[in-house]
Amino acid sequence: DVKVTQSSRYLVKRTGEKVFLECVQDMDHENMFWYRQDPGLGLRLIYFSYDVKMKEKGDIPEGYSVSREKKERFSLILESASTNQTSMYLCASRPPGDSPLHFGNGTRLTVT
Amino acid sequence: QKEVEQNSGPLSVPEGAIASLNCTYSDRGSQSFFWYRQYSGKSPELIMFIYSNGDKEDGRFTAQLNKASQYVSLLIRDSQPSDSATYLCAVRSNFGNEKLTFGTGTRLTIIP
Repeated sequence: DVKVTQSSRYLVKRTGEKVFLECVQDMDHENMFWYRQDPGLGLRLIYFSYDVKMKEKGDIPEGYSVSREKKERFSLILESASTNQTSMYLCASRPPGDSPLHFGNGTRLTVT
Repeated sequence: QKEVEQNSGPLSVPEGAIASLNCTYSDRGSQSFFWYRQYSGKSPELIMFIYSNGDKEDGRFTAQLNKASQYVSLLIRDSQPSDSATYLCAVRSNFGNEKLTFGTGTRLTIIP
């Protein structure tokens, strides 16, 4: 079974802090994704990566950056956290082509 | 127009009846379609995927795809209370595009 592990289930951070969300997958998938999920807005893609050191902006990249130094690890960085970044963050991975996404358990981030 | 649209519900269905969930998409070049189930506070889990026009059955679930009408649906037969969840439709636009776009989800409640 594919396992996608997000380092934290719940996080509380202060406005202006730099925040790192970590995600690790164990199935050697090329593609990794960061989504955020908000009530009424569904899942929105922040960034994705199709290979080590490669990244592409999703639909809502503003205020975020990512890092992929190793194939199994994809990090989401909030350079200066703001209250409007309070959300559920979901990491996912999949191989190329028509394969489904496998999600991690999610990180619920609260910025106060 | 949103890329992937779903009726947000809530949709209430009596136990044992058929639940019908619908999804429309705007990109005619879309190639692959996925249905995910998400319980409250949990991450999405894959139920079914479909690539070709027509029906695809898996147990109590049937996915139906009509590319001409840009429409994909999920039928749940013999609905059970455990089917109560939010159902997310996801679409992969075209070959070479690795990202999936999600609808906002339909909340389904099965009434015992």
